[in-house]
Amino acid sequence: RKEVEQDPGPFNVPEGATVAFNCTYSNSASQSFFWYRQDCRKEPKLLMSVYSSGNEDGRFTAQLNRASQYISLLIRDSKLSDSATYLCVVNNGGSQGNLIFGKGTKLSVKP
Amino acid sequence: DAGVIQSPRHEVTEMGQEVTLRCKPISGHDYLFWYRQTMMRGLELLIYFNNNVPIDDSGMPEDRFSAKMPNASFSTLKIQPSEPRDSAVYFCASTPGGTGYEQYFGPGTRLTVT
Repeated sequence: RKEVEQDPGPFNVPEGATVAFNCTYSNSASQSFFWYRQDCRKEPKLLMSVYSSGNEDGRFTAQLNRASQYISLLIRDSKLSDSATYLCVVNNGGSQGNLIFGKGTKLSVKP
Repeated sequence: DAGVIQSPRHEVTEMGQEVTLRCKPISGHDYLFWYRQTMMRGLELLIYFNNNVPIDDSGMPEDRFSAKMPNASFSTLKIQPSEPRDSAVYFCASTPGGTGYEQYFGPGTRLTVT
């Protein structure tokens, strides 16, 4: 089983749509969870951290289900500028473990 | 403030040549990471340092790869000899704390080995 699994997409959605991405991870000892965004031919950048209670940042909502080892990202009212690849990231257990990146889900928002 | 700086941005070399990639982390960041990204394998951690000391190099593919961090503001990743399968984008990232903190990535070095 892969350590962090994501649907590679692409997700092609119209502007204004709501889109959800899911991610599963295999290491039950993982303690830190993130979503990163990567634009084409650019470096990954942190989109948001994911907390057990769930968290929201504007149009973006992230949720964590530790029991199912499942992370989600919801984007509401999608914009053309949201087109990118979204990487699910978890740490490899412990505070000093390295980060494991999923291969990413590609989103394309069309006018 | 300057972010993570990497050089060169692009490198094209022939198989068998030595390649050296360079990274300057953000000042004050104690952790430095080297990653490799390909379409097939995604983003893979090669090695990371804490306070200039290598902590985990289990991701380094083989002896052809080596990394050093002689001081807090500079790190190198060397491939000798290079092979076509080493073609990838190599990212350097730094963070002020452990892996619970945001990692700041450099722009990457796009390596092509012919």
